[in-house]
Formats: sequence, C-alpha cells, structure tokens
Amino acid sequence: DAGVIQSPRHEVTEMGQEVTLRCKPISGHDYLFWYRQTMMRGLELLIYFNNNVPIDDSGMPEDRFSAKMPNASFSTLKIQPSEPRDSAVYFCASSTRAATYYGYTFGSGTRLTVV
Amino acid sequence: TQLLEQSPQFLSIQEGENLTVYCNSSSVFSSLQWYRQEPGEGPVLLVTVVTGGEVKKLKRLTFQFGDARKDSSLHITAAQPGDTGLYLCAGVAGAGSYQLTFGKGTKLSVIP
Repeated sequence: DAGVIQSPRHEVTEMGQEVTLRCKPISGHDYLFWYRQTMMRGLELLIYFNNNVPIDDSGMPEDRFSAKMPNASFSTLKIQPSEPRDSAVYFCASSTRAATYYGYTFGSGTRLTVV
Repeated sequence: TQLLEQSPQFLSIQEGENLTVYCNSSSVFSSLQWYRQEPGEGPVLLVTVVTGGEVKKLKRLTFQFGDARKDSSLHITAAQPGDTGLYLCAGVAGAGSYQLTFGKGTKLSVIP
C-alpha cells in the first residue's frame, strides 16, 4: 500500500484565494482525520469522518473551512477565503477501528503559505 | 478538553548520551501512543501502551505508562543522530473513542 497520499505537498497562495487540499486514505481504513500543525499550537484536530460521514467538526476554526469526503478513497479540505493566519502544515490521517492500538497513519502533509 | 503536556519542549544532546522525555495529563487515558516525526513528514507510530505500569522496549527506546494511566515517559539509551526528530505523545480518552489528543511534542537533536 502506498500509504496516505496528500496533495499538493506545498501550496503558496495569496490572501483571499481559495485553497483545496486533497487526501487519499489507505484502502480499508474507515476513519479519516484532518489535522493542522503549527509551532505554537502543535497538532490540532480539525474534523474527522467515519465511513465518509463527518462525525466531529468542532475543531474547524471558522466557516471559511470546509471538508468533504465524497467516497471512501478521497477527501478534500477547502479554505475560502484564505488568510495569512491559515499558514500551517495540514495533515490527513486514516485508521481502522483498531486505532486505539494500531494508531493513525499520517500522510506527508501539505505546507500551506498564505501571503 | 483533555490536555497532554510534554517536557522538555526542546532537547539537544551529544551522541551516546541518555535522555528521558515526559508526557503528563490530569486526565486518565485508556491508551497512550508515542509517535516520531521527521522534518517534512507526518508522525509515525512507535508504540502503544495500554495497561497502567506497562513498560515496552523498542531497541534503545523504553516506554512506560504510569500506574494511574495519566502519564508516560520515553527513555532513549545511547542516543544516535538518527534519533533526531519530534517526539509526540497522543492519548485515547476512553473505550470506543477513536480520537487522539496530541501533545505539542519534544524536539530532540542528537549532535554527532
């Protein structure tokens, strides 16, 4: 298995533009998580899905952020409009129900810079 | 919100030295995981501890879960430059939960 695949690896955009981050989870994993990592706040959970259904989006900072999972092999995180404070590394992770023991598998992340 | 505090935040040591990093909380966790993250990559799971007082060894790394399941430590013996990275602990709140709460991590640098 190729692991969790995220694209793009790097994204530089201007303030006010729409940004879409993409994730392909590991086949057979029925949980998908979106995290944001910054030096100040560490890893923050934004939203997670179970069987393509959003379960908890309480970590989404504001209405500018939205996430979808149209099928078991694809998810997107969209920021519209983007702001400089959104600059961070965004990670997607997937897991099975056995995550409490086997943990999450993370992608390599998307480094977002909003100028 | 269940918080995990990791200490120290930064650690720089010489190759061959021993070190211990800590992960503490006021909350009880049903299990606790340790991850290592290298620059430009996502965190990778090292170990999961489940039972209070449990000790697990992974080559030169020793992980311990506190008796009350509120804290954990990671001890590295004879550190090597390849151990350099960000070490994150993550807790699972309770049975049936699939959500991990992460600490901010300890950034370890091992100098050759």
